[in-house]
Amino acid sequence: EAQVTQNPRYLITVTGKKLTVTCSQNMNHEYMSWYRQDPGLGLRQIYYSMNVEVTDKGDVPEGYKVSRKEKRNFPLILESPSPNQTSLYFCASSLGQIPSTDTQYFGPGTRLTVL
Amino acid sequence: AQKITQTQPGMFVQEKEAVTLDCTYDTSDQSYGLFWYKQPSSGEMIFLIYQGSYDEQNATEGRYSLNFQKARKSANLVISASQLGDSAMYFCAMREGRGTGRRALTFGSGTRLQVQP
Repeated sequence: EAQVTQNPRYLITVTGKKLTVTCSQNMNHEYMSWYRQDPGLGLRQIYYSMNVEVTDKGDVPEGYKVSRKEKRNFPLILESPSPNQTSLYFCASSLGQIPSTDTQYFGPGTRLTVL
Repeated sequence: AQKITQTQPGMFVQEKEAVTLDCTYDTSDQSYGLFWYKQPSSGEMIFLIYQGSYDEQNATEGRYSLNFQKARKSANLVISASQLGDSAMYFCAMREGRGTGRRALTFGSGTRLQVQP
């Protein structure tokens, strides 16, 4: 089954404790992206990757890191989480062809709480 | 300025009836894509339907259709024969074709649809 998977689905952690949220897709998509969803602010892009070893900042990259060593994986790293990073996080992927037709498929979401 | 506007924070519809969720957008690009996503209470974001700016026909996917009026910059989602499982938050989103490869989707604020038995 074609899908985007994220782990963990739920995480409660404390300020400053490094964590990684994994994202994997099995559709051979070139483009991958991370979004966060917050009440009243909607979905905002954190980082994106056009292909292996090609990553760039989105709208709200502060406090986050990413890497793309393999095509299928795009982990999101919070080196020192803070309470303002409490959010619902989505990984998305797409073929990466014509931008305006490029449908992004989302993972199930990771609900992160930073105490 | 808002690029995607969804003016209906909440909607109710009776089971088996059709419902239209409104979406207007703002762009100066000639090439863009419009997308609708469904977010049930479980939280996942499910792709429903896509409409390209150059598509002359309205997109349809099963019970979903997109009423695309380019001159009015509207891309309303029509759900026919509503089911209880359609109760969810619905987001309209746009990806503009020009510029960088960011391919970030711009989302509207969403419409919460509740289907009543």
